[in-house]
Amino acid sequence: AQSVAQPEDQVNVAEGNPLTVKCTYSVSGNPYLFWYVQYPNRGLQFLLKYITGDNLVKGSYGFEAEFNKSQTSFHLKKPSALVSDSALYFCAVRDGRDSSYKLIFGSGTRLLVRP
Amino acid sequence: KAGVTQTPRYLIKTRGQQVTLSCSPISGHRSVSWYQQTPGQGLQFLFEYFSETQRNKGNFPGRFSGRQFSNSRSEMNVSTLELGDSALYLCASSGVNEQYFGPGTRLTVT
Repeated sequence: AQSVAQPEDQVNVAEGNPLTVKCTYSVSGNPYLFWYVQYPNRGLQFLLKYITGDNLVKGSYGFEAEFNKSQTSFHLKKPSALVSDSALYFCAVRDGRDSSYKLIFGSGTRLLVRP
Repeated sequence: KAGVTQTPRYLIKTRGQQVTLSCSPISGHRSVSWYQQTPGQGLQFLFEYFSETQRNKGNFPGRFSGRQFSNSRSEMNVSTLELGDSALYLCASSGVNEQYFGPGTRLTVT
């Protein structure tokens, strides 16, 4: 069975500091990994994905994520946080062997960037 | 390119009623998935439609159903609404290895 864990309910960081939002996954086949961000009363906004290739993936708004197969992790990072990055972040996984596009989501991590 | 659109954006219904939500995917995308988001259960997969056929289904009761039309637009229906059906319902439009979400329909059941 597929699963995603986001161990931190909330991450607090000062503006200008680097941020990391953690994600670990479990999937029986090839992991396709995604990060989404959600602002209040909005849908999910795509940030980045890992399908294959380089373990370091760059995405929107200066975010990047590193795929680590041995640790089954896909942590989201940004070198310098902005107050406007404050939002709810979701990690998701799909089994690449499956023809379905079904995503399994983590429970979400609230990022709070203080000025 | 236009994004994923969902209608209506907000809906208030009474227990026992039924409701239909609509989703128009990105042009060229043939897959539409539906998710339910609640504070307690998080984001849960409802079902996926591809070329008018249900390709996958989540663990929801039969009161939840959906369909997809030849133009890829999709609808989901919830019959005999319960208070616990109050949620944000998100539609996702999928191309190859990418999935984009609509703004959601906020359903409140009273």
